This record gives sequence, structure tokens and C-alpha cells, in this order.
Amino acid sequence: NAGVTQTPKFRVLKTGQSMTLLCAQDMNHEYMYWYRQDPGMGLRLIHYSVGEGTTAKGEVPDGYNVSRLKKQNFLLGLESAAPSQTSVYFCASSHRAPGSYGYTFGSGTRLTVV
Amino acid sequence: ELKVEQNPLFLSMQEGKNYTIYCNYSTTSDRLYWYRQDPGKSLESLFVLLSNGAVKQEGRLMASLDTKARLSTLHITAAVHDLSATYFCAVTNSGGYQKVTFGTGTKLQVIP
Repeated sequence: NAGVTQTPKFRVLKTGQSMTLLCAQDMNHEYMYWYRQDPGMGLRLIHYSVGEGTTAKGEVPDGYNVSRLKKQNFLLGLESAAPSQTSVYFCASSHRAPGSYGYTFGSGTRLTVV
Repeated sequence: ELKVEQNPLFLSMQEGKNYTIYCNYSTTSDRLYWYRQDPGKSLESLFVLLSNGAVKQEGRLMASLDTKARLSTLHITAAVHDLSATYFCAVTNSGGYQKVTFGTGTKLQVIP
């Protein structure tokens, strides 16, 4: 049982380059989330999805796009990377709402934009 | 807007000592979560607190929730080095979509 899998685990981008982070879950969870983690700032929600084909903005959505074409996958895209997007990105999933179980997190993607 | 504050942000303590981490939140909430994160790792769920007065314990950690005070505590008893990690509390808003807001984390260092 893999849980939540994120790829890639590490990436270095040049300013202006684009990339897509993939999150896959095998728990049949309805809700999926993308967070970024920066030192001293905890986790901040970028975008989330409450079901296949739906997405919504979180706290810090600018510069990112997402898609949820399949229930098990949630993609995070950076169209034109900026140094301010250097961060650790975590994907998480949950049943219809975090409820009694909270989130299941992926292992994270460490992104550096130079 | 729901705000979640943790204190202290950094805690250095000796093995065998007791201490408490505090998590305050600004608006009514349905439930509260505690997570642990080891350096360079993902977040691991520790506790889910679902109602006022809830108390949960796992080993040397005990979490409690006072919804009237909008306060949760994570108490560490007789700390050991293996508890060194960053601890996050997270709170859901009441009603509608249950967005989870995280605190900034408390970095705990237990010194042998």
C-alpha cells in the first residue's frame, strides 16, 4: 500500500523554466491538496481538490496551476518558475474531509529555483 | 480567517524533563490535529482531537483540547532524544469545506 507518492523528490530549475509535480494516491481519497513548506512559516495551502475534475485556490495560489483529471492524481504546475518558489512541496490526501483521520502526506518534493 | 499560533517556536530541553507545547487558534473549530516531522521527512499524524475535553496519549506524548479556550496542548513527559522533531498543530474551520490551517511548528531538541 503506497499511500501518497510524489515525484520527483528533488529538482533544480532555472528561473523561467516550467515543470509539473505529480501526486498519486491509492487510497481512493476524494480530497487532495498541495502545500508548500518554508522555514518558519509552517505549511501553506496552494491549491486543493474536492473531487475528480474540481480544483480550488488555497492561501498562496499565485504562480501555480493544478489539475485533477483522475481521482488518484493531482498535478501541480509551475509555468514560469521564480526563485520565490524555492520550497518543499507536500501533497496530501484525505477522505471527503480531513475528519477523524486528518491527512496522509507524501514524502515531499524539494524544489530549488536558481 | 482562522489563525493558528504555536509556542514556543523552538524548544531545547534535557532528557528526562517535562514540557508543554501550546497551540492557540482564533475561531471556532471542529477538530484539531497534531503532526510530527523529522528533518527532511514528511509529516506523520500523531493525534486527532475531536471534541472539547478530548485527551489522547501515545507513549511520552499527551495531547488535549479545550475548545472554549481555543487551546490545545502537547505535553511531553520525561523527554528522550528520539522525540527531537518539529511538531505541528493543525485546525479545521467550522462548517462548509473543512480547510485545515497549520501552525508554524515547534522545533523540539532533546539534549542527552
